[in-house]
Amino acid sequence: AQSVTQPDIHITVSEGASLELRCNYSYGATPYLFWYVQSPGQGLQLLLKYFSGDTLVQGIKGFEAEFKRSQSSFNLRKPSVHWSDAAEYFCAVGDYGGSQGNLIFGKGTKLSVKP
Amino acid sequence: GAVVSQHPSWVICKSGTSVKIECRSLDFQATTMFWYRQFPKQSLMLMATSNEGSKATYEQGVEKDKFLINHASLTLSTLTVTSAHPEDSSFYICSAKGTSNQPQHFGDGTRLSIL
Repeated sequence: AQSVTQPDIHITVSEGASLELRCNYSYGATPYLFWYVQSPGQGLQLLLKYFSGDTLVQGIKGFEAEFKRSQSSFNLRKPSVHWSDAAEYFCAVGDYGGSQGNLIFGKGTKLSVKP
Repeated sequence: GAVVSQHPSWVICKSGTSVKIECRSLDFQATTMFWYRQFPKQSLMLMATSNEGSKATYEQGVEKDKFLINHASLTLSTLTVTSAHPEDSSFYICSAKGTSNQPQHFGDGTRLSIL
Protein backbone atom coordinates (compact mmCIF):
# COMPACT_ATOMS: atom_id res chain seq x y z
CA ALA A 1 0.00 0.00 0.00
CA GLN A 2 1.14 3.52 -0.68
CA SER A 3 1.97 5.44 2.46
CA VAL A 4 4.12 8.13 3.98
CA THR A 5 5.46 7.88 7.50
CA GLN A 6 6.74 10.75 9.55
CA PRO A 7 7.95 9.07 12.72
CA ASP A 8 8.25 12.21 14.82
CA ILE A 9 4.99 13.87 15.83
CA HIS A 10 6.67 16.78 17.62
CA ILE A 11 10.24 18.01 17.66
CA THR A 12 11.71 20.87 19.68
CA VAL A 13 15.03 22.40 18.75
CA SER A 14 16.91 25.42 19.94
CA GLU A 15 17.22 28.41 17.67
CA GLY A 16 20.43 28.13 15.69
CA ALA A 17 20.61 24.36 16.04
CA SER A 18 20.44 22.00 13.10
CA LEU A 19 17.26 20.19 12.16
CA GLU A 20 16.38 16.93 10.49
CA LEU A 21 12.80 15.81 9.95
CA ARG A 22 12.35 12.22 8.91
CA CYS A 23 10.14 10.90 6.15
CA ASN A 24 9.80 7.35 4.87
CA TYR A 25 7.57 6.30 2.04
CA SER A 26 6.12 3.18 0.50
CA TYR A 27 5.25 3.62 -3.14
CA GLY A 28 4.95 1.20 -6.01
CA ALA A 29 6.00 3.47 -8.85
CA THR A 30 8.77 6.03 -9.19
CA PRO A 31 7.96 8.48 -6.42
CA TYR A 32 7.74 12.20 -6.69
CA LEU A 33 8.48 13.60 -3.25
CA PHE A 34 7.55 16.86 -1.59
CA TRP A 35 7.92 18.74 1.64
CA TYR A 36 5.30 21.31 2.59
CA VAL A 37 5.14 23.64 5.59
CA GLN A 38 1.94 24.81 7.26
CA SER A 39 1.70 27.69 9.71
CA PRO A 40 -1.28 27.68 12.11
CA GLY A 41 -4.56 28.41 10.34
CA GLN A 42 -2.87 28.61 6.96
CA GLY A 43 -2.59 26.53 3.84
CA LEU A 44 0.47 24.63 2.76
CA GLN A 45 3.57 26.14 1.24
CA LEU A 46 5.86 24.06 -0.93
CA LEU A 47 9.39 23.92 0.48
CA LEU A 48 10.96 21.66 -2.11
CA LYS A 49 10.32 18.76 -4.42
CA TYR A 50 12.18 15.84 -5.93
CA PHE A 51 11.27 14.53 -9.36
CA SER A 52 14.53 13.13 -10.71
CA GLY A 53 18.24 13.88 -11.03
CA ASP A 54 20.38 15.05 -8.15
CA THR A 55 19.16 13.33 -5.01
CA LEU A 56 20.00 16.34 -2.83
CA VAL A 57 17.48 19.06 -3.51
CA GLN A 58 17.54 22.61 -2.31
CA GLY A 59 14.41 24.43 -1.31
CA ILE A 60 13.26 27.75 -0.01
CA LYS A 61 14.09 29.20 3.39
CA GLY A 62 17.40 27.34 3.56
CA PHE A 63 15.89 23.85 3.61
CA GLU A 64 17.24 20.86 1.75
CA ALA A 65 16.23 17.23 1.47
CA GLU A 66 17.97 14.10 0.35
CA PHE A 67 16.28 11.28 -1.52
CA LYS A 68 17.66 7.87 -0.58
CA ARG A 69 16.01 5.17 -2.64
CA SER A 70 17.68 2.32 -0.74
CA GLN A 71 16.18 3.58 2.51
CA SER A 72 12.89 4.83 1.00
CA SER A 73 13.55 8.10 2.76
CA PHE A 74 13.33 11.79 1.98
CA ASN A 75 14.52 13.58 5.10
CA LEU A 76 14.33 17.34 5.42
CA ARG A 77 17.27 19.26 6.86
CA LYS A 78 18.23 22.76 7.81
CA PRO A 79 21.65 23.68 9.24
CA SER A 80 20.45 26.49 11.49
CA VAL A 81 16.86 26.84 12.60
CA HIS A 82 15.19 30.22 13.02
CA TRP A 83 12.28 30.95 15.35
CA SER A 84 10.11 31.63 12.29
CA ASP A 85 10.56 28.00 11.21
CA ALA A 86 8.17 26.86 13.96
CA ALA A 87 5.30 25.23 12.05
CA GLU A 88 3.90 21.89 10.94
CA TYR A 89 5.83 20.06 8.24
CA PHE A 90 4.30 17.54 5.88
CA CYS A 91 6.06 15.08 3.65
CA ALA A 92 4.10 13.88 0.62
CA VAL A 93 4.54 11.44 -2.23
CA GLY A 94 2.81 11.50 -5.58
CA ASP A 95 2.84 10.08 -9.06
CA TYR A 96 3.01 12.66 -11.79
CA GLY A 97 3.79 10.20 -14.50
CA GLY A 98 0.32 9.57 -15.76
CA SER A 99 -2.12 10.26 -12.98
CA GLN A 100 -3.71 13.48 -11.91
CA GLY A 101 -1.03 14.00 -9.36
CA ASN A 102 -2.78 12.85 -6.23
CA LEU A 103 -0.61 13.29 -3.18
CA ILE A 104 -0.35 11.06 -0.17
CA PHE A 105 0.58 13.01 2.94
CA GLY A 106 2.32 11.95 6.09
CA LYS A 107 0.70 12.90 9.38
CA GLY A 108 3.04 15.79 9.87
CA THR A 109 5.75 16.82 12.30
CA LYS A 110 5.23 19.82 14.48
CA LEU A 111 8.39 21.84 14.96
CA SER A 112 8.81 24.04 18.00
CA VAL A 113 11.80 26.36 18.31
CA LYS A 114 13.03 27.47 21.70
CA PRO A 115 15.07 30.62 22.16
CA GLY B 1 4.24 32.88 -9.15
CA ALA B 2 1.84 29.99 -8.66
CA VAL B 3 -0.54 31.74 -6.30
CA VAL B 4 -3.76 30.07 -5.20
CA SER B 5 -6.41 32.16 -3.54
CA GLN B 6 -9.09 30.60 -1.37
CA HIS B 7 -12.13 32.47 -0.14
CA PRO B 8 -13.54 32.89 2.42
CA SER B 9 -10.84 32.24 4.98
CA TRP B 10 -13.35 31.77 7.79
CA VAL B 11 -17.07 31.22 7.80
CA ILE B 12 -19.54 30.60 10.59
CA CYS B 13 -23.08 29.60 9.76
CA LYS B 14 -26.15 27.92 11.12
CA SER B 15 -26.84 24.25 10.75
CA GLY B 16 -28.81 23.46 7.61
CA THR B 17 -27.39 26.20 5.45
CA SER B 18 -25.16 25.71 2.42
CA VAL B 19 -21.70 27.20 2.18
CA LYS B 20 -19.67 27.84 -0.95
CA ILE B 21 -15.87 28.00 -0.90
CA GLU B 22 -13.95 29.34 -3.87
CA CYS B 23 -10.49 28.37 -5.02
CA ARG B 24 -8.76 30.42 -7.69
CA SER B 25 -5.42 30.06 -9.40
CA LEU B 26 -4.31 33.65 -9.88
CA ASP B 27 -1.35 33.40 -12.21
CA PHE B 28 -1.54 30.03 -13.88
CA GLN B 29 -4.09 27.76 -15.49
CA ALA B 30 -5.08 24.95 -13.19
CA THR B 31 -5.96 21.87 -15.17
CA THR B 32 -6.55 19.99 -11.94
CA MET B 33 -7.77 21.16 -8.57
CA PHE B 34 -7.94 19.21 -5.36
CA TRP B 35 -10.04 19.63 -2.24
CA TYR B 36 -8.77 18.46 1.13
CA ARG B 37 -10.19 18.37 4.60
CA GLN B 38 -7.99 18.68 7.65
CA PHE B 39 -9.09 17.83 11.15
CA PRO B 40 -7.32 19.44 14.12
CA LYS B 41 -3.75 18.23 14.51
CA GLN B 42 -4.19 15.80 11.63
CA SER B 43 -2.90 15.51 8.12
CA LEU B 44 -4.77 16.44 4.99
CA MET B 45 -7.41 14.06 3.71
CA LEU B 46 -8.12 14.24 0.00
CA MET B 47 -11.82 14.65 -0.64
CA ALA B 48 -11.98 14.98 -4.40
CA THR B 49 -10.08 15.78 -7.56
CA SER B 50 -11.53 17.89 -10.31
CA ASN B 51 -10.49 18.61 -13.84
CA GLU B 52 -11.78 21.64 -15.67
CA GLY B 53 -15.01 20.93 -17.47
CA SER B 54 -15.57 17.46 -16.11
CA LYS B 55 -17.14 15.87 -13.06
CA ALA B 56 -15.09 15.60 -9.92
CA THR B 57 -13.69 12.30 -8.76
CA TYR B 58 -14.53 11.72 -5.12
CA GLU B 59 -12.53 9.67 -2.67
CA GLN B 60 -14.14 6.72 -0.99
CA GLY B 61 -16.40 7.76 1.84
CA VAL B 62 -16.92 11.33 0.64
CA GLU B 63 -20.54 12.10 -0.17
CA LYS B 64 -20.74 13.72 -3.58
CA ASP B 65 -24.23 15.06 -2.91
CA LYS B 66 -23.01 16.63 0.30
CA PHE B 67 -19.87 18.20 -1.09
CA LEU B 68 -20.62 19.63 -4.52
CA ILE B 69 -17.59 20.51 -6.60
CA ASN B 70 -17.64 22.61 -9.71
CA HIS B 71 -14.58 23.33 -11.86
CA ALA B 72 -16.06 25.57 -14.50
CA SER B 73 -12.88 27.25 -15.69
CA LEU B 74 -9.13 26.79 -15.66
CA THR B 75 -8.80 29.24 -12.80
CA LEU B 76 -11.78 28.54 -10.56
CA SER B 77 -13.14 25.61 -8.60
CA THR B 78 -15.84 25.77 -5.96
CA LEU B 79 -16.77 23.47 -3.12
CA THR B 80 -20.31 23.76 -1.78
CA VAL B 81 -21.10 22.11 1.51
CA THR B 82 -24.84 21.50 1.30
CA SER B 83 -27.09 21.45 4.34
CA ALA B 84 -24.10 21.78 6.61
CA HIS B 85 -24.14 20.24 10.07
CA PRO B 86 -21.78 20.65 13.02
CA GLU B 87 -19.87 17.53 12.04
CA ASP B 88 -18.92 19.27 8.80
CA SER B 89 -16.96 21.84 10.78
CA SER B 90 -13.38 21.56 9.68
CA PHE B 91 -10.53 23.22 7.83
CA TYR B 92 -10.93 22.87 4.07
CA ILE B 93 -7.95 23.43 1.79
CA CYS B 94 -7.81 23.53 -1.98
CA SER B 95 -4.85 23.09 -4.23
CA ALA B 96 -4.24 23.54 -7.91
CA LYS B 97 -1.75 22.28 -10.41
CA GLY B 98 -1.02 23.08 -14.01
CA THR B 99 0.84 20.73 -16.31
CA SER B 100 1.66 17.17 -15.38
CA ASN B 101 5.07 17.83 -13.84
CA GLN B 102 4.04 20.79 -11.76
CA PRO B 103 3.51 20.44 -8.01
CA GLN B 104 0.29 21.30 -6.26
CA HIS B 105 0.02 24.82 -4.93
CA PHE B 106 -2.23 25.31 -1.96
CA GLY B 107 -4.66 27.96 -0.90
CA ASP B 108 -4.65 29.30 2.63
CA GLY B 109 -7.63 27.22 3.66
CA THR B 110 -11.13 27.93 4.91
CA ARG B 111 -12.11 27.43 8.52
CA LEU B 112 -15.75 26.30 8.49
CA SER B 113 -17.69 26.39 11.74
CA ILE B 114 -21.28 25.16 11.79
CA LEU B 115 -23.34 26.15 14.80
